Amino acid sequence: QQQVKQSPQSLIVQKGGISIINCAYENTAFDYFPWYQQFPGKGPALLIAIRPDVSEKKEGRFTISFNKSAKQFSLHIMDSQPGDSATYFCAASIDQAGTALIFGKGTTLSVSS
Amino acid sequence: DTEVTQTPKHLVMGMTNKKSLKCEQHMGHRAMYWYKQKAKKPPELMFVYSYEKLSINESVPSRFSPECPNSSLLNLHLHALQPEDSALYLCASSQEQGAVYGYTFGSGTRLTVV
Repeated sequence: QQQVKQSPQSLIVQKGGISIINCAYENTAFDYFPWYQQFPGKGPALLIAIRPDVSEKKEGRFTISFNKSAKQFSLHIMDSQPGDSATYFCAASIDQAGTALIFGKGTTLSVSS
Repeated sequence: DTEVTQTPKHLVMGMTNKKSLKCEQHMGHRAMYWYKQKAKKPPELMFVYSYEKLSINESVPSRFSPECPNSSLLNLHLHALQPEDSALYLCASSQEQGAVYGYTFGSGTRLTVV
């Protein structure tokens, strides 16, 4: 019940296309859902995050869509660029408990030019 | 300064060696974390310190010993490691304990145990 399931494992998108990564969770106590981006040789960096009281959050080309009833959330990268090529991790946590993040297994995105 | 600095960047150690990893931040963050990341896997939490006190130990073997000498510094002491402990060790910090504050990760120490 503590898992966050992420798909696909890898994704290849043409430059200018839309990249979509999906995550699902079981624990309804989760109340914070961030996405982290990791480039090779670097630590993960917070990209965007959402709370379950909001169905969508947009920051630039990055959008999180959240479906509370389905217990799913997704990351959409619009106008994907080669510089977006990285590994993306969805995650979840229980804010009130101050718990650490539960990460999904990650998606390796390659944007071809 | 908005960075978490980890040293060394790379470390090769024998199974009988004792070594230490160092992590430093000057953002005034009061929570600091150690994560272990294997290739093509997500980070796995090892330890959490909050206000310089150990808050979470994710049942990590005693050959890994964390230390938080002050609010800016976090160490991970290594002793009698096994080859399967080879991984990227990531340090992170946040304003307070809790993912909602957003973690700032360092670039990690690439550890190889021979």
